[in-house]
Formats: sequence, C-alpha cells, structure tokens
Amino acid sequence: DAGITQSPRHKVTETGTPVTLRCHQTENHRYMYWYRQDPGHGLRLIHYSYGVKDTDKGEVSDGYSVSRSKTEDFLLTLESATSSQTSVYFCATHGQSNEKLFFGSGTQLSVL
Amino acid sequence: QQPVQSPQAVILREGEDAVINCSSSKALYSVHWYRQKHGEAPVFLMILLKGGEQKGHEKISASFNEKKQQSSLYLTASQLSYSGTYFCGTEERGTYKYIFGTGTRLKVLA
Repeated sequence: DAGITQSPRHKVTETGTPVTLRCHQTENHRYMYWYRQDPGHGLRLIHYSYGVKDTDKGEVSDGYSVSRSKTEDFLLTLESATSSQTSVYFCATHGQSNEKLFFGSGTQLSVL
Repeated sequence: QQPVQSPQAVILREGEDAVINCSSSKALYSVHWYRQKHGEAPVFLMILLKGGEQKGHEKISASFNEKKQQSSLYLTASQLSYSGTYFCGTEERGTYKYIFGTGTRLKVLA
C-alpha cells in the first residue's frame, strides 16, 4: 500500500479555534488532494496541489486554506473552525495524471 | 460540478446483478471506479482510459462511453462483500482537479 499518512486521526475542537490537518506521503507523488465526506454528499474536493507551492481551490474551499512547502506534506488549515466543518477529511495522492488515487485513512473532525 | 451517479441506492439479494451509472456534464478523459466500506477509505476498482473501453475481472466490469460522457459499472452475481458505496472519479480535462461522482450505496442481502 502507498505510504499516505494523515494526522491526527481524530480531533475534537471548539468553534472559532484554528485547526491544521496534515497529510504526509512517502511516494514522491506530484498531485495531492483534500476531500471532505459528509452523509449524502459523497467526496467533495476542498483544495488540491499539483506541485510544491502550486495549489488551487476545489468546489468547497470556503473557510479552508492549504500549503505545500515540500513534496511529501500537504497541510489543510481551518482558520476558524465552524460546526459546519464537522466532517471526515481524506487526503489522496497520485503520481501521474489519470493514475488512480491513493488514500490516507481519514481524519474525523468534530467542531463543537 | 460532480458527476451524477444513479441510482443513489440499491438493495440486492446475493446472486443478483446491478448496474451503476456515472454521468458527467463535462467531457471525460478517463473514469475510475472505487468502492468504500463504512468507516474506511475508498478502494480503487478499475480505470477506463479510452472511449468504449471495457475493463473488469470476474464479476465486476465497467464500460466508458466518451461521446455520451458516461460510464457504467456492472456487478454480476453479487456477493455480500460487494456491499458499500461506489464512486466514479475523474480528472477534469485541462486541469489537475480530480473529482468524484455523487456515490451509489449498494447493499447485498443474504
């Protein structure tokens, strides 16, 4: 299996606090993605990266920012968490265009 | 915009067949299919790269109609292990954006 590690696996936080989720990969993959998954909405793209320092917005990017300062790490930040950001977050990567995605195990985030 | 999958949910008895459709409003360059079990990450099933290409193994196969911007997943003689949520996935042409379909929940009963 591809080495995609998400941290933390679970987090409970309060409304208004900043939260950073980390995705770390050991595959030297160029492309990295953050998705959120909510019941009835499937997997929705938040932000993605196509190289170091190259990032772009997905469909549900409001309230989120990302950074990729090195190939192996892609950080997702909630500047001021809201209850609507309670969700399961998945990181995914692939090395080439049209290649299948490799997923991390997910992060369960609860914003109270 | 997410590709739309149909049906949204389906219940089968063991041994029955099912078809899951994925339809996009944008041109599809390739289509991937994944299955996700509850509480787990999605698992890759297959990729279709060319229009009209059919791929699969044993009882799960798929087709891709590039002209119609559609793909279909065929599950034959379903087994209990087929239960889960199925997603089509695709990379939008001209971008590096990878998006998923709306998902189809499939449950196979004994």
